[in-house]
Amino acid sequence: DAGVTQSPTHLIKTRGQQVTLRCSPISGHKSVSWYQQVLGQGPQFIFQYYEKEERGRGNFPDRFSARQFPNYSSELNVNALLLGDSALYLCASSLGTVAYGYTFGSGTRLTVV
Amino acid sequence: GENVEQHPSTLSVQEGDSAVIKCTYSDSASNYFPWYKQELGKRPQLIIDIRSNVGEKKDQRIAVTLNKTAKHFSLHITETQPEDSAVYFCAASLGGTSYGKLTFGQGTILTVHP
Repeated sequence: DAGVTQSPTHLIKTRGQQVTLRCSPISGHKSVSWYQQVLGQGPQFIFQYYEKEERGRGNFPDRFSARQFPNYSSELNVNALLLGDSALYLCASSLGTVAYGYTFGSGTRLTVV
Repeated sequence: GENVEQHPSTLSVQEGDSAVIKCTYSDSASNYFPWYKQELGKRPQLIIDIRSNVGEKKDQRIAVTLNKTAKHFSLHITETQPEDSAVYFCAASLGGTSYGKLTFGQGTILTVHP
């Protein structure tokens, strides 16, 4: 049984560009959450989606957006990239909306130059 | 919003010793407290969690204790092994709310020397 899969694994972008990151949750999981992990820090909550609806949003600018598809996979979009957006972006899936037993994917390492 | 403080930031022990990592949280409504282990370049992995209706939980060499009155919880690892070396994160969540946001601590780099 596949775990949480994220693509791509690594990405290099230039300031001002836009990026799309993808996540497929564990089969049967309906909730996907996105976290940003800057080097040397703990992950920070960006969004949670459940049944294709946004259920929660962290303290991130409007340049960050996301959506969830009927098959429960999700995309995170970041516009007008800044150097400070360089981080590991983690996707977590769970059965329901609460945070019990989150399973994280291996992440997408985004470098903005 | 919720704030989670984690100490120490680095911890170095000899193989076989015990290790203790402590976290405090600010929101008394938080009721779910997981611990994650993250090895270099890998994803965070849930190693143990505790809910607010329980004061202590144990799984082989690891245990977590929770003091709701003082708003702090701790991870205890006994008989440490070199493969326990990693970054450990505590987190807190308002379980049962409409969404499941985890607020993480800053992490503890644990090094176990053979």
